[in-house]
Amino acid sequence: DIQMTQSPPSLSASVGDRVTITCRASQNIGTYLYWSQQRPGKAPKLLFYTASSLQTGVPSRFSGSGSGTEFTLTISSLQPEDFATYYCQQTYSAPLTFGGGTKVEI
Amino acid sequence: EVQLVESGGGLVKPGGSLRLSCAGSGFTFSDAWMTWVRQAPGKGLEWVGRIKSKTDGGTTEYAAPVKGRFTISRDDSRNTLYLQMNSLKIEDTGVYYCTARTWGQGTMVTVSS
Repeated sequence: DIQMTQSPPSLSASVGDRVTITCRASQNIGTYLYWSQQRPGKAPKLLFYTASSLQTGVPSRFSGSGSGTEFTLTISSLQPEDFATYYCQQTYSAPLTFGGGTKVEI
Repeated sequence: EVQLVESGGGLVKPGGSLRLSCAGSGFTFSDAWMTWVRQAPGKGLEWVGRIKSKTDGGTTEYAAPVKGRFTISRDDSRNTLYLQMNSLKIEDTGVYYCTARTWGQGTMVTVSS
């Protein structure tokens, strides 16, 4: 199985900050990567597919990059509604494993 | 608007069975590869399994913890995805989501005696 490792597990930030989250895969997955956001008590929401393709309706302050084994999610200017937990997920091969999540807190 | 709505969750005793449903709308359901994901209370997301579209073979794949106990199926005439869960264990407790890029709101499954 492909292991997905996110870092950091949590971070504290302020409104307006630039935030970067890293996701590493245990083997080459090309760009078969999703990023999702989960606000407290809510269902997850897809932000990016194929590592850097922005899902419809997602604000442009979010960006995704990377390929192979290393990926990043960047929020250019953190907004109050962005305080949430973010998950990466490889979609290269089953089982489609998730990272452990990164909780972005105030 | 693309929408997924899960139903069928509830309280069940260990060893029992439950069938979850997920109704899709706003997209061509028959073309979609559909996935079930679960989340134990206070934990992260865990992939449960998926079913491909019939045009891509309609095959299923499962995570190791549920293989042999859970079965994913689909009825494209009803735009509905199913998750049949048998031999339930306490560790199967959690919110179950269906997803095809869009996520449903989830349905809670509690396995307890």
